[in-house]
Amino acid sequence: ETGVTQTPRHLVMGMTNKKSLKCEQHLGHNAMYWYKQSAKKPLELMFVYNFKEQTENNSVPSRFSPECPNSSHLFLHLHTLQPEDSALYLCASSQDGLAGVSDTQYFGPGTRLTVL
Amino acid sequence: AQKVTQAQTEISVVEKEDVTLDCVYETRDTTYYLFWYKQPPSGELVFLIRRNSFDEQNEISGRYSWNFQKSTSSFNFTITASQVVDSAVYFCALSEGGSGSARQLTFGSGTQLTVLP
Repeated sequence: ETGVTQTPRHLVMGMTNKKSLKCEQHLGHNAMYWYKQSAKKPLELMFVYNFKEQTENNSVPSRFSPECPNSSHLFLHLHTLQPEDSALYLCASSQDGLAGVSDTQYFGPGTRLTVL
Repeated sequence: AQKVTQAQTEISVVEKEDVTLDCVYETRDTTYYLFWYKQPPSGELVFLIRRNSFDEQNEISGRYSWNFQKSTSSFNFTITASQVVDSAVYFCALSEGGSGSARQLTFGSGTQLTVLP
């Protein structure tokens, strides 16, 4: 595997379900990100991790819970979601954003989530 | 606050035509980075180019070229001799450098390009 992979690619869940999205990067990067892409809206940054530490949480509801056990893996745990949470969830990674340097982010193929 | 505007929501061209995708940005920082990504129907965002605010040289890569103009805060993207495989949504993005959230990318709303055979 190369680049950034995400599983599953498609997920349908009910509002009471608990599920998890997985992201893995094979680029040796130290920063990882979760984005949400809804129809007709710009991509929204959700969370940022750098060296396994969360550095950004853009006012994301608590029903989304990220986990970063190491620099190569990132999870998004989902619980009691709403239909408006249906979207494409994209994971990205970058080398390491040192202050004053903006590293290029490389994206995975995304998980298409549908909440019924 | 930073902002990226892609005024063209959808563009259709016939194969072999040239097409320019517009991107206008707003930032208060003097150090910033601009990006273009391509999102084909499969969903993955494919990185195309990164530019920093101190390098206004235009860039050409095959059929792709980019025109960065700080005077008009624009970073436009031109595809020459378009092909059907160029059909995708194209996103322009901005990241501010310096202290603070150096890693936050602000995306434009994207331009859907359709190239007809």
